[in-house]
Amino acid sequence: EPEVTQTPSHQVTQMGQEVILRCVPISNHLYFYWYRQILGQKVEFLVSFYNNEISEKSEIFDDQFSVERPDGSNFTLKIRSTKLEDSAMYFCASSDGDSHNEQFFGPGTRLTVL
Amino acid sequence: QQQVKQSPQSLIVQKGGISIINCAYENTAFDYFPWYQQFPGKGPALLIAIRPDVSEKKEGRFTISFNKSAKQFSLHIMDSQPGDSATYFCAADLFSGGYNKLIFGAGTRLAVHP
Repeated sequence: EPEVTQTPSHQVTQMGQEVILRCVPISNHLYFYWYRQILGQKVEFLVSFYNNEISEKSEIFDDQFSVERPDGSNFTLKIRSTKLEDSAMYFCASSDGDSHNEQFFGPGTRLTVL
Repeated sequence: QQQVKQSPQSLIVQKGGISIINCAYENTAFDYFPWYQQFPGKGPALLIAIRPDVSEKKEGRFTISFNKSAKQFSLHIMDSQPGDSATYFCAADLFSGGYNKLIFGAGTRLAVHP
């Protein structure tokens, strides 16, 4: 069964450093998403991406964040200068774009900012 | 107005009992209501979903009841099993221009005791 994969599973970084979280969406999917879940809290929408551009972003997704699809398979989330409050679980999701088709979530990357 | 309110925060049920989790929303533009199940260390996985033109949907032991006028929906897990112990998130889907933006509730941690 196809699945969304994410690397690394855990990333530890120093405050102020740049991190890149990687995702490989399901191959025939067209819409890509990033969500964030701070420990013990709800899952929050960050950004959606389609046709090589951002479709929508939340207020969390400020200028420190960027997304990219550098090739035909990877989808990345970059945090330019990490803050302590960026520590969270980051989930990538993808969907094939039909109305209300299921978003498939990856296993997540746990980001710890020290 | 984009919030989805979920209760209870945690729930303990005996094996074989019925688990009930409730959600409420304000934005009438929401048009798809999925429930996600999340096990520790894993990403959310779609459990069951309903559209607002239907009042109930059943899949196996899982049933969604939907009350459009009250803007409320609930998940019922019949014959709850220890393997159902997980965190459950309701969500509301805002379908906009080809992509979905999931708004999650705060989550309910379910523990089913043998």
